[in-house]
Amino acid sequence: GDSVTQMEGPVTLSEEAFLTINCTYTATGYPSLFWYVQYPGEGLQLLLKATKADDKGSNKGFEATYRKETTSFHLEKGSVQVSDSAVYFCALKKRGGANSKLTFGKGITLSVRP
Amino acid sequence: GAGVSQSPRYKVAKRGQDVALRCDPISGHVSLFWYQQALGQGPEFLTYFQNEAQLDKSGLPSDRFFAERPEGSVSTLKIQRTQQEDSAVYLCASSLAGATDTQYFGPGTRLTVL
Repeated sequence: GDSVTQMEGPVTLSEEAFLTINCTYTATGYPSLFWYVQYPGEGLQLLLKATKADDKGSNKGFEATYRKETTSFHLEKGSVQVSDSAVYFCALKKRGGANSKLTFGKGITLSVRP
Repeated sequence: GAGVSQSPRYKVAKRGQDVALRCDPISGHVSLFWYQQALGQGPEFLTYFQNEAQLDKSGLPSDRFFAERPEGSVSTLKIQRTQQEDSAVYLCASSLAGATDTQYFGPGTRLTVL
């Protein structure tokens, strides 16, 4: 079945450090790929998405590129802020059909120190 | 309200009790999803509605779990004869329509079964 694998956490960085969070997936066909973020005390929010190979999703300084050849969708940010401290989830969604459920990875906790 | 709301936010139940969790989707959203999130894990799909029709219930873990959306708006997830392994955060998400639409998540209901 479909699955998403995220790197083990937690991750602790100093402010202004470079961030990479790895995500790889297994799926038949060509899924859409997502990063969701969960800030402390809040619900899941869509951070960015990409719907086809080589697409780059971007938002709030975060970027991720859909790499079909390596089945990856790594999240990057050039300079993290304390306010980026949250749990990050990579997810995929199959295209077409009535069911558009999301399949999530385990999530990774990011803590950014001042 | 502008977002997806869920109630109650917290529920404590004794083993064997029945519980009902409510989800109010964003007005006009056709699709509604329920997910279960165990501690330290990513959300896992439970069931999906398109309007009042339950199109996929493949993720419901047992016949003790039942969901309904009788008028195509508010949805209720019911768990009968709760067990300790049912302890989790239950997330509801809605989307406007279609397989490519963004899913907007509610804050979740944290269920603890003692």
